[in-house]
Amino acid sequence: GQNIDQPTEMTATEGAIVQINCTYQTSGFNGLFWYQQHAGEAPTFLSYNVLDGLEEKGRFSSFLSRSKGYSYLLLKELQMKDSASYLCAAMDSNYQLIWGAGTKLIIKP
Amino acid sequence: GAVVSQHPSWVICKSGTSVKIECRSLDFQATTMFWYRQFPKQSLMLMATSNEGSKATYEQGVEKDKFLINHASLTLSTLTVTSAHPEDSSFYICSAKTGGETAEAFFGQGTRLTVV
Repeated sequence: GQNIDQPTEMTATEGAIVQINCTYQTSGFNGLFWYQQHAGEAPTFLSYNVLDGLEEKGRFSSFLSRSKGYSYLLLKELQMKDSASYLCAAMDSNYQLIWGAGTKLIIKP
Repeated sequence: GAVVSQHPSWVICKSGTSVKIECRSLDFQATTMFWYRQFPKQSLMLMATSNEGSKATYEQGVEKDKFLINHASLTLSTLTVTSAHPEDSSFYICSAKTGGETAEAFFGQGTRLTVV
C-alpha cells in the first residue's frame, strides 16, 4: 500500500534548529512536497524535491533520498511564527498526492 | 485521521465539454472545503473556499463562471470545470475541514484532468 509517515508533534525552542522527518512508500514517485499550514488557514507551499539532495531556501531546507524513501524539512533560526503544522506529501506515478497526517511544530520562547 | 475522498481520480475529456469533480468527507462533517489546482512540479494554488450552504469565495484570477463550486451538504462539494480547454488540464485537489479556526484540514487524493 501507499503511506506517508511523519511525527505527530515536535517541540523546539526559538532560535534553534528543528528537523522534521518524513518516510514514504508509493507506487512510483514523482516528487515530494512540503507544506506549512497555520491553524485555520490554507496550506502554503514550502518545497518540492524530485532529485536526491538538499534544496535550501532561506531558513528552510528540504532533503530527499529516493533510495531510502525519506525526506526531511530543516528549519533554522526558529521564530515563533514558525509554529504550525508541516505536511509532507508524495506524488505517485499517477500524479496522485499521498498526504502525511502532518507534524504539529510547537515553538517555545 | 479523517478521510476525504475525491472522484474521479483521473479523467480525460474533450475540449468544450464540462467535467464534475466530487469531494466527499467520509467520516466527518466539513463546514469548509478548499479547492486547489496544481501544475506539475509547482505549488498548490488555492482556487476557492466554500462554506456549506453559501457561495464559494474565489481567489483573485480564478474565473467563477468557469470553475463552478457547489457545497450543498456538509459532506459533499463539487467542482465543475465548464467548457474545458487544454489549458485547464491540471491536478485538482480538495481539502475539507470542520468548523473552528484551529480545525485540521484533510486532503483528497486529487483528480488529474486532461483535456484533449
